[in-house]
Amino acid sequence: SAVISQKPSRDICQRGTSLTIQCQVDSQVTMMFWYRQQPGQSLTLIATANQGSEATYESGFVIDKFPISRPNLTFSTLTVSNMSPEDSSIYLCSAPGSTGSGPEETQYFGPGTRLLVL
Amino acid sequence: EDQVTQSPEALRLQEGESSSLNCSYTVSGLRGLFWYRQDPGKGPEFLFTLYSAGEEKEKERLKATLTKKESFLHITAPKPEDSATYLCVVGADKLIFGTGTRLQVFP
Repeated sequence: SAVISQKPSRDICQRGTSLTIQCQVDSQVTMMFWYRQQPGQSLTLIATANQGSEATYESGFVIDKFPISRPNLTFSTLTVSNMSPEDSSIYLCSAPGSTGSGPEETQYFGPGTRLLVL
Repeated sequence: EDQVTQSPEALRLQEGESSSLNCSYTVSGLRGLFWYRQDPGKGPEFLFTLYSAGEEKEKERLKATLTKKESFLHITAPKPEDSATYLCVVGADKLIFGTGTRLQVFP
């Protein structure tokens, strides 16, 4: 399995400011993923972060708003820039890992960062 | 269009009352179907991976099954600590998330 940690676990921010969320994986992975989960909704993929290349953003998400860094194979950051109340959400990072049953793999998720923008 | 639909949206059970959650999917090129448990304010916790029709996986009171069009998560004699949202996720070209079933188990 993959053990994923995130910092901060939660934050309350003012409109117009930026917050950087850190994600650490306990093993080296090629790809890491950032998701947003708005209240009562399922997860929406923001971007895929590959080490050594630019992140790939999904439709509706842009680099200026959600810049991502991926400096090595175990770490990534997501910045939520120029925040507005609509950015209030849980932000989750994920990475692939073995399930422990032979070659099976799945996506493991961090505990999430709960963001409230006032 | 690839799609994953979970039903019911919410389910209330008495402790010990067995039931099933459904996940219907339409995808081209299924690479795997995953079940997760998510507690409020936390990230999804991996439960099972299923790859082919007829496959079954069990863990404690949970059993997941897969056909060519749907998956079921059977909960046998649930306890209050089983209360959570259960997410079905289908792997194709990318992961496609269902909206989840919110399960509440009352003592």
